[in-house]
Amino acid sequence: GDSVTQMEGPVTLSEEAFLTINCTYTATGYPSLFWYVQYPGEGLQLLLKATKADDKGSNKGFEATYRKETTSFHLEKGSVQVSDSAVYFCALSDRAGYSTLTFGKGTMLLVSP
Amino acid sequence: DAMVIQNPRYQVTQFGKPVTLSCSQTLNHNVMYWYQQKSSQAPKLLFHYYDKDFNNEADTPDNFQSRRPNTSFCFLDIRSPGLGDAAMYLCATSTGTEVYNEQFFGPGTRLTVL
Repeated sequence: GDSVTQMEGPVTLSEEAFLTINCTYTATGYPSLFWYVQYPGEGLQLLLKATKADDKGSNKGFEATYRKETTSFHLEKGSVQVSDSAVYFCALSDRAGYSTLTFGKGTMLLVSP
Repeated sequence: DAMVIQNPRYQVTQFGKPVTLSCSQTLNHNVMYWYQQKSSQAPKLLFHYYDKDFNNEADTPDNFQSRRPNTSFCFLDIRSPGLGDAAMYLCATSTGTEVYNEQFFGPGTRLTVL
């Protein structure tokens, strides 16, 4: 079955540091890939997405590139802020249209001033 | 703004006392989902509706039921809550037709069982 593996957290960084959160997946076919962010006490918000190999999703300074050859979708940001402190979930949807999401376990990011 | 709304945001119930959580959407999406999220874990899909078609996950306990009376509303009923059912419950929607299958989440209802 489909699965998503994320690096375990928490990831602790100082403000303006470079961020990488690793995500790899196992799926049949050609899944769509997502990063969701969850701030404390809130629901999930879509951060970025990519639907085919070599696509780069980007939003709010975050980027992730869909790498089919390494089955990866690593999240990066060049300079993190305190306000980026949250839990980040990598997820996949295994086919177009109607399907459910498979989530990774989430990675907590803590950014200190 | 189009959105997914969950009420209440915080719910306290007693062990064994039935409770209903509510979700509404103004997105006019075909699909509505209910997830259970326990502390420091990923959301776990309980069930979902595609229009009126109900889809139950194989490992969702019978204690959890759902109703979708119309496109806009979906309810999660917990018939006899146990201490292990204390969690954040997330409602989400999607069009069910677009390529990306992006899901839109509500803010969640945090359930406490005493």
